Amino acid sequence: EPEVTQTPSHQVTQMGQEVILRCVPISNHLYFYWYRQILGQKVEFLVSFYNNEISEKSEIFDDQFSVERPDGSNFTLKIRSTKLEDSAMYFCASSASLNNEQFFGPGTRLTVL
Amino acid sequence: GIQVEQSPPDLILQEGANSTLRCNFSDSVNNLQWFHQNPWGQLINLFYIPSGTKQNGRLSATTVATERYSLLYISSSQTTDSGVYFCAADTLTSGTYKYIFGTGTRLKVLA
Repeated sequence: EPEVTQTPSHQVTQMGQEVILRCVPISNHLYFYWYRQILGQKVEFLVSFYNNEISEKSEIFDDQFSVERPDGSNFTLKIRSTKLEDSAMYFCASSASLNNEQFFGPGTRLTVL
Repeated sequence: GIQVEQSPPDLILQEGANSTLRCNFSDSVNNLQWFHQNPWGQLINLFYIPSGTKQNGRLSATTVATERYSLLYISSSQTTDSGVYFCAADTLTSGTYKYIFGTGTRLKVLA
């Protein structure tokens, strides 16, 4: 069964460093998403992406964040200068259409020291 | 935007007991899913259920879209069912399709 994959599973970084979280969505899917979950809290939407552009972003997704689909298979989330409060689990998801379930990856746990 | 509320927030069961988890939403939904978050933090998709009833082994779910709620039933619970259960929904009304997650039900099943 096809699945969404994410790398790395765990990333530790120093405050102020740039990080890139990588996702490989399911191959025939067209809609891509990033969510995050701060420890002990609920999952929050960050950004959706379709047709090589951002469809929607939340207020969390400020200028420090960017997304890219560089090669038709990967979908990346970049945080330019990490802050302590960026420590969270980041989930990538994809769906075939807007009227379909979203398939979630296993997540990347980001720890900012 | 849509509000998603789950109850109860916490639930402790003895192994073998049955339980019902509830998800209320404030607007008409386009998509709705139930997830189980395992101890490693992964979100395991249980059901995609914007309406109707589905069953998968000991788990079943029902969404009554007209009354704006969904229920997740766990029968004959096992210790491996422990974890946090989330429902997530998106709405037709706002024209956007991001999932809004509930705050979850934390389930602990005792041996």
